[in-house]
Amino acid sequence: NAGVMQNPRHLVRRRGQEARLRCSPMKGHSHVYWYRQLPEEGLKFMVYLQKENIIDESGMPKERFSAEFPKEGPSILRIQQVVRGDSAAYFCASSPPLADQETQYFGPGTRLLVL
Amino acid sequence: AQSVTQLDSHVSVSEGTPVLLRCNYSSSYSPSLFWYVQHPNKGLQLLLKYTSAATLVKGINGFEAEFKKSETSFHLTKPSAHMSDAAEYFCVVRSPPSGTYKYIFGTGTRLKVLA
Repeated sequence: NAGVMQNPRHLVRRRGQEARLRCSPMKGHSHVYWYRQLPEEGLKFMVYLQKENIIDESGMPKERFSAEFPKEGPSILRIQQVVRGDSAAYFCASSPPLADQETQYFGPGTRLLVL
Repeated sequence: AQSVTQLDSHVSVSEGTPVLLRCNYSSSYSPSLFWYVQHPNKGLQLLLKYTSAATLVKGINGFEAEFKKSETSFHLTKPSAHMSDAAEYFCVVRSPPSGTYKYIFGTGTRLKVLA
């Protein structure tokens, strides 16, 4: 059973460009979380999604950031008009729909560098 | 509100000596607590979790943690450090089950193992 997959692993963007980060959850998992890790800091919650629904986006910046988890395909975290402060590692985690829902399994992360 | 405090940002031990990484939590609910490890430029791996069963929790790679409600602590220990244990360790509390299961991370403890 493949783990959580994220791509790209590394992404370089210039200020003002768009960044698209993809996350494929573990097989059978229907819950996806996105976290951001700034340099030398812990991870901060951004958004929690189930298939086709955003459940909790209390950690998302109000502008430029959006997330989706369509019925088919990976979850996407989209950052429009990136700025240098967006440089960070972005981690996706997934959990199963029942029973062990509280354990999250993390992907390897996407490291975004904004020049 | 839920929170965790990791009391040491850096810990150095010699190979073969015990490891103690400290974590205190704050929660108005019966908490679920986790320890994750992050090796450089890698994703997060679950070491162990406490979910209101046995207070002494055994994890992978010889790690264990004890939930102490009276001290609001969940310290991570290992009897004998190995060079491969050098990494960043995160203590995590899960938010109460009110529709979201987001994780709240501590700021991390970087473990250095000396030969």
